[in-house]
Amino acid sequence: SAVISQKPSRDICQRGTSLTIQCQVDSQVTMMFWYRQQPGQSLTLIATANQGSEATYESGFVIDKFPISRPNLTFSTLTVSNMSPEDSSIYLCSVAPGGAGETQYFGPGTRLLVL
Amino acid sequence: RKEVEQDPGPFNVPEGATVAFNCTYSNSASQSFFWYRQDCRKEPKLLMSVYSSGNEDGRFTAQLNRASQYISLLIRDSKLSDSATYLCVVNDYGQNFVFGPGTRLSVLP
Repeated sequence: SAVISQKPSRDICQRGTSLTIQCQVDSQVTMMFWYRQQPGQSLTLIATANQGSEATYESGFVIDKFPISRPNLTFSTLTVSNMSPEDSSIYLCSVAPGGAGETQYFGPGTRLLVL
Repeated sequence: RKEVEQDPGPFNVPEGATVAFNCTYSNSASQSFFWYRQDCRKEPKLLMSVYSSGNEDGRFTAQLNRASQYISLLIRDSKLSDSATYLCVVNDYGQNFVFGPGTRLSVLP
């Protein structure tokens, strides 16, 4: 398994601003993921962030809006840029220590409210 | 058609009841399957992986039917602490996790 922390745990932001969310893992993992969970909805994958390569974004998500950094095997950031109220959501990072297709472990999430 | 579909719920059951959740997936190439549990305002946590032969963990039993592209979760002797949303998750090797919409369970005293 893996222990994951996220910062901030929650934030309230003004539209047009940007927020960077940090994800820290207690062990080195290659595969890290960023998800969004909108109110009352299930999880939607934003992107896969593997160390040493550019993030791979899912349909509907673009790098200009959600830039991701993965400087090492224990850390990643997701930035939500030029925010609008529609970006209000929970953002979760996860890791798959066993590799592709194996169990994912999730961070506690970052609750974002955009006014 | 959504990639992963689940019973819409919510399920409201008394303590001690047996409850079953169903999940169907559309991609026949899917290779691994999981049930996650998500408590209110918390992150999803792995409940159990689902193997072709079926697997049991205490009061929880998961079954996989590849021919019908169907996964089930059975909870016996429900406890109040079982109240949560149960997420069916499907993964294709080399692809990503796809989450179902979740089924909410409330176990009532």
